[in-house]
Amino acid sequence: DIQMTQSPSSLSASAGDRVTITCRASQSISNYLNWYQQKPGKAPKFLIYAASSLQSGVPSRFSGSGSGTDFTLTISSLQPEDFATYYCQQSYSTPATFGQGTKLEIK
Amino acid sequence: QLQLQESGPGLVKPSETLSLTCTVSGGAISSSSYYWGWIRQPPGKGLEWIGTIYYSGSTYCNPSLKSRVTISVDTSENQFSLKVSSVTAADTAVYYCARHSRTGVENYFDYWGQGTLVTVSS
Repeated sequence: DIQMTQSPSSLSASAGDRVTITCRASQSISNYLNWYQQKPGKAPKFLIYAASSLQSGVPSRFSGSGSGTDFTLTISSLQPEDFATYYCQQSYSTPATFGQGTKLEIK
Repeated sequence: QLQLQESGPGLVKPSETLSLTCTVSGGAISSSSYYWGWIRQPPGKGLEWIGTIYYSGSTYCNPSLKSRVTISVDTSENQFSLKVSSVTAADTAVYYCARHSRTGVENYFDYWGQGTLVTVSS
């Protein structure tokens, strides 16, 4: 199985900050990388696919980049509703695997 | 607007079989463009893909669970189902159903049910 490792595991930031979350794959996954946002008690929300393509309806302050083994999710200017846990997921090979999550908290 | 809703018992005894159904509304489960998947999340932990099914009945399961998992589809009811046999406390989790788009690099879970907590306990 391909292991996905996110860093940091948690992050404190303020509204208006620019934040970056990193996801590393245990082997090359080209750009088969998705990002999700999850708020407490809710289902994950799909944000980005193919490493950098924004899902319809997702605010443009979210962006993704990377290929191979290293990927990033950037939020350009944090809004109050962005405080949540973020997961990366590889779809390069079966089984699909997720990172352990990065919890973004209010400073 | 596509909606998915999980249903089934919230409490299952150890060694028994967990059974859940996902009802899809606002779209046909028999669409040739999409697959349908199950993902679970133990309390306070991360996400684990369980398996995915196509309307034709073709299934793809996580090898870590494959021997205990059965996924089926009922196109007449616009539903798909999950069974996990011989459950233990480690199977306690919120179980989500989701639409699984699988077209090349566009391979992701884009619509999710709200999730249902299944607790394994005697």
